[in-house]
Parts: sequence; structure tokens; C-alpha cells
Amino acid sequence: GAVVSQHPSRVICKSGTSVKIECRSLDFQATTMFWYRQFPKKSLMLMATSNEGSKATYEQGVEKDKFLINHASLTLSTLTVTSAHPEDSSFYICSARDGGGVNEQYFGPGTRLTVT
Amino acid sequence: GQNIDQPTEMTATEGAIVQINCTYQTSGFNGLFWYQQHAGEAPTFLSYNVLDGLEEKGRFSSFLSRSKGYSYLLLKELQMKDSASYLCAVMDSNYQLIWGAGTKLIIKP
Repeated sequence: GAVVSQHPSRVICKSGTSVKIECRSLDFQATTMFWYRQFPKKSLMLMATSNEGSKATYEQGVEKDKFLINHASLTLSTLTVTSAHPEDSSFYICSARDGGGVNEQYFGPGTRLTVT
Repeated sequence: GQNIDQPTEMTATEGAIVQINCTYQTSGFNGLFWYQQHAGEAPTFLSYNVLDGLEEKGRFSSFLSRSKGYSYLLLKELQMKDSASYLCAVMDSNYQLIWGAGTKLIIKP
């Protein structure tokens, strides 16, 4: 099946620093990638949708200047949390949709971000 | 607004059968997904229904009724490893997933 990787799996950073999370589709081309945030015991919250070569579409309430998304190629999207604060601590999950027209989204393993 | 409802928590016994229900109200419909998520891990795909009826895949089956805005996930021969959260998600007219809050399934020996 389709595989999506995320790096790093866990990261601890200090308040005020920036953190970059990479999401890669390993064996398929992902024309669309999604970034989710999950709070404990809550459903996944869609943060933004990114299409290769164009600007990401952010959901209401998500600060685009704080959560920078770059979908540089058909296999790579990055999420950069800028000037991180403790309230940004969360589980960030990316998913990718196969450009071949299948509706299913394939999820990365997630990144646990802790801001101290 | 868009809404997905599923029970918060269910408990079942090892070897038994459990049915997790999901009702939805969304703007458009392009399919319903069930995902399994173990604590601290990303969701994994279980099933996809876009037409009415029952889809069977091993111990797991998923049912859809579009007219009723209703789906269920049926798990048979429960195993301890099935203890997880089960997420129902509907793809709307914009091809975005609308997520339920998930049902935490507790399996007891």
C-alpha cells in the first residue's frame, strides 16, 4: 500500500524557536497533502490543504504566518511552526492523496511536538 | 453546519461482536471512511463506503445508508489488539474529510 513518512517523529523545542516537520509520500505522487492537528482525546482538526506548486489553503482560525506550509514537490510537503509556544504542543499528522484519483488519504505516522 | 456523531466510548468482550455507529450531516457526500487509531499513533485506514450496503473485509465490515446519513463499523471475533479509537470521516463535496471525534473501544478479557 501507499506509504507516507513524517520526520521527525518527536521533537522538543524551546519557546520562541521554529520547528520544521516534513511529510513525504514514498511510493506515489501526492497532488494534495493535508496537515492535521490532534489534541488529546479529540478528533483530527484539519489545519490546511496544500496542492503542489500552489499556496496552501488554511482553515478558519489557523494562522498562516505561524504555520508555514510548503508543498515543494509531488512527494514532499513541510509544515514549519514558527515562534513556537507551549500551546502549540500537539500531535501533528500529515496525509496525502494519491494523484491517480483515489479518494483515500494515506496518513503519515505523526509528529509529537513539545514546546517547553 | 457539518456534523459527524459517534459514541464516545464502548466496551466489549474478547471474542464478541461490536457495532460502532456513525451518523452524519455534511454538505455533499463523496464517501465515508473508517479509520483505526491506537493511542499515540496516526490513524490507519479500515474501510471506504460510497454506495449503500455492506462491505466486508475479514473481521471488519462497514455499512452505509446514504438516505439515512448512517454508517456502522462491525468488528467480529474481537481481539485485545482491537482496543483503539475508531474514527468515522465523511468526504464532503470539496473532497475534504470531516472527522468524527472517534469512539474509544475497550476490549475486556
